[in-house]
Amino acid sequence: QVQLQQWGAGLLKPSETLSLTCAVYGGSFSGYYWSWIRQPPGKGLEWIGEINHSGSTNYNPSLKSRVTISVDTSKNQFSLKLSSVTAADTAVYYCARAEEYSSSHGRHAYWFDPWGQGTLVTVSS
Amino acid sequence: SSELTQDPAVSVALGQTVRITCQGDSLRSYYASWYQQKPGQAPVLVIYGKNNRPSGIPDRFSGSSSGNTASLTITGAQAEDEADYYCNSRDSSGNHLGVFGGGTKLTVL
Repeated sequence: QVQLQQWGAGLLKPSETLSLTCAVYGGSFSGYYWSWIRQPPGKGLEWIGEINHSGSTNYNPSLKSRVTISVDTSKNQFSLKLSSVTAADTAVYYCARAEEYSSSHGRHAYWFDPWGQGTLVTVSS
Repeated sequence: SSELTQDPAVSVALGQTVRITCQGDSLRSYYASWYQQKPGQAPVLVIYGKNNRPSGIPDRFSGSSSGNTASLTITGAQAEDEADYYCNSRDSSGNHLGVFGGGTKLTVL
């Protein structure tokens, strides 16, 4: 059973860089997208971006200029960096494994499972 | 703003059936996946693909799709089903981006 465990700094000052890492235990690293999702307090989920095992990335356009997602396949880990943080970046950040199924004749499918435990990142001066 | 639209809140009487919907252009090409989130916990996948349940998810949860609308149905809602529910898919741009609905707060009366 695949498990994700994440860690990183929980308190940042404005303009600093958020840095989180997620380790993957118990499963293959290839064939999936490794994703970051965040949730501001009391609000909904926001997709940040993803990376596959070969390093190909997709980013949310609203965050693209500040986000870098990287992968270390030797350690089965992937990481998130978000630069120039502000109070608006205060959120619980989750890592998750994304899987995608492409159909040649019907609907495709895309889902996240499992998820990490979440890390609350607070940006405050 | 989200490309997937959900009703903010839905309620259901204990033991009755409830449907939570998600609308968006991308759902013409993608099945929605559905997540249950209880306070202070990470989201949990409950439905993915055409109508697939991960191991451990009760069979009272089911999914369906028609046109640009996806639905999560809970048949015989239990008190423990009270939670926030989110749908998700790729977006409609074709740029391989992910998108979530705004979430639906389910209250079991």
